[in-house]
Amino acid sequence: AQSVTQPDIHITVSEGASLELRCNYSYGATPYLFWYVQSPGQGLQLLLKYFSGDTLVQGIKGFEAEFKRSQSSFNLRKPSVHWSDAAEYFCAVAFTGGGNKLTFGTGTQLKVEL
Amino acid sequence: GAVVSQHPSRVICKSGTSVKIECRSLDFQATTMFWYRQFPKKSLMLMATSNEGSKATYEQGVEKDKFLINHASLTLSTLTVTSAHPEDSSFYICSATPGRGNTGELFFGEGSRLTVL
Repeated sequence: AQSVTQPDIHITVSEGASLELRCNYSYGATPYLFWYVQSPGQGLQLLLKYFSGDTLVQGIKGFEAEFKRSQSSFNLRKPSVHWSDAAEYFCAVAFTGGGNKLTFGTGTQLKVEL
Repeated sequence: GAVVSQHPSRVICKSGTSVKIECRSLDFQATTMFWYRQFPKKSLMLMATSNEGSKATYEQGVEKDKFLINHASLTLSTLTVTSAHPEDSSFYICSATPGRGNTGELFFGEGSRLTVL
């Protein structure tokens, strides 16, 4: 079955430190890949997406993600975290033929220490 | 970017009553809308796909008689939780897309928190 895994439930980093949030998927082909951020009590905001082409994609707020086909991964990175980045981060995939139906990972809660 | 708005953002109701949540695309026409449910500290679970002018497609395990979805216009989809019970308390989020099968152009509402007493 198709699935999305975010292995880290919680991550704490110091402000200014680098960040990497992990995402793995299970699917027979290359899916469409997304990262969303959710602030408490709010909806979701798209950080970036990958459909095809360059496997390193740039997003908003200084985030980037790299698609690695061999590892079935799409990890999110940021070189220097800001306190305002504290939020819940969701990796999501849309599978070929599924239209815009997204399957979400379980999320990673990011805490930033000042 | 495109804007999707949900109303109400918060609603509290008594057990046994019905609650309607609206999802509107403010600056584009949405042929397809999706309704998600998010439990505390959990991921989003797709409930149903709403297509303008046709019946919604429900995911496995979602009671269609419990969660009524109507997509009567290209800018409005509604989710009605009928005969609500405390276990229906959750955060409901809609998303909308301007095209059929146009993966990637998906915009989310702010969410609606339902509390059933």
